[in-house]
Amino acid sequence: EEQLVESGGGVVQPGGSLRLSCVVPEFTFSGFSLVWVRQAPGKGLEWIAYINSGSSDIYYADSVKGRFTISRDNAKNSLYLDMKSLRAEDTATYFCARDHLLAFIYYGMDVWGQGTTVTVSS
Amino acid sequence: EIVLTQSPVTLSLSPGDRATLSCRASQSVNNYLAWYQQKPGQAPGLLIYDVSNRATGVPVRFSGSGSGTDFTLTISSLEPEDFAVYYCQQRYNWPLTFGGGTKVQI
Repeated sequence: EEQLVESGGGVVQPGGSLRLSCVVPEFTFSGFSLVWVRQAPGKGLEWIAYINSGSSDIYYADSVKGRFTISRDNAKNSLYLDMKSLRAEDTATYFCARDHLLAFIYYGMDVWGQGTTVTVSS
Repeated sequence: EIVLTQSPVTLSLSPGDRATLSCRASQSVNNYLAWYQQKPGQAPGLLIYDVSNRATGVPVRFSGSGSGTDFTLTISSLEPEDFAVYYCQQRYNWPLTFGGGTKVQI
């Protein structure tokens, strides 16, 4: 079964930085858009960043715009999320997922990682 | 921003019951709507895409319907493993948004 694998989570002080990584099986990665979705403890899902296959289209939620940067390395089948100026409210489990839109049909976020936890605390 | 409002927030049912979950959008999302199931400690999993199409491996007791701004996820007969939180999500406009979730509990 296709699955994504996140890493890089941990405990960081407010104002600090962290880089999350997501390794994607090649079949899942090639030609697909990817997203980061987070979930604060006990809360719902929040989409935070999107990148298309060629990195030409990138979008962010307002809550992270200017602080987080999404990128991908197609040669390494990897997705990244660089986070800076972290705040307590960024404490969450971060999931990467494949976002599958093709020929005007939305196939959903159809492959997910297991998540990596980021805690922002002094 | 398209706001997705899910109702009810909590649904208390028994195995064998029919569950009807609602997702209402603040503006039309066309057919760009998906449903996800999340169990405690797990990542979300895709259930329904394009409003009414079951994802691979999803049992036939799950069905999606609706159009425009009003959508429904129906579980025809609850199995013990169906007690979880369900989210709708739109892909029609940026930012991508999720509903607040419906918890289906015993």
